[in-house]
Amino acid sequence: DSGVTQTPKHLITATGQRVTLRCSPRSGDLSVYWYQQSLDQGLQFLIQYYNGEERAKGNILERFSAQQFPDLHSELNLSSLELGDSALYFCASSVGGTTNEKLFFGSGTQLSVL
Amino acid sequence: AQKVTQAQTEISVVEKEDVTLDCVYETRDTTYYLFWYKQPPSGELVFLIRRNSFDEQNEISGRYSWNFQKSTSSFNFTITASQVVDSAVYFCALSESGNAGNMLTFGGGTRLMVKP
Repeated sequence: DSGVTQTPKHLITATGQRVTLRCSPRSGDLSVYWYQQSLDQGLQFLIQYYNGEERAKGNILERFSAQQFPDLHSELNLSSLELGDSALYFCASSVGGTTNEKLFFGSGTQLSVL
Repeated sequence: AQKVTQAQTEISVVEKEDVTLDCVYETRDTTYYLFWYKQPPSGELVFLIRRNSFDEQNEISGRYSWNFQKSTSSFNFTITASQVVDSAVYFCALSESGNAGNMLTFGGGTRLMVKP
């Protein structure tokens, strides 16, 4: 158990809808990351937050947004969903968010857009 | 731009065989970090090892060993005497010190199947 909690584990929705994925980092970790894993794109970095502030941004679509709250949990909002958004979304956390840190990953949220 | 290539998409071995998973990376930074993560059938990514660009010492941890060669931009992973529990997808990843934050670039992964 990594200590990173993601909810829900599975999500099935329809095209055009909006969903929110939630992540609680390990106790003591200030940085939260979101990754998307799909068959065609592999594992892709979306965004990183550190202590409530955006630290780095990757290939995150404009339809997607995220935030980290004062209690350090994070939410990833996906809107105007398309079939291609179906993927496994991982949250990860680390202590400080620097480039040499190992990440602790949650078990992921499997999103299916029908 | 940083890039990680794992040319072997799938490897199948019989238990107790040794197996090497290849990883080749590209980066313009002189300071960077390489990682291996394991994704077992349960789905969660598990950290295995981290190596910085200035440390080319090979590392051994039990049945696992890693060979880092800057000259060939490779960071290969060997499992000795493989076991069924080693069956998983293994990812190599790269993080550049020049990036803001800690953005990992992952390779495509190698699915290892160890048969009894």
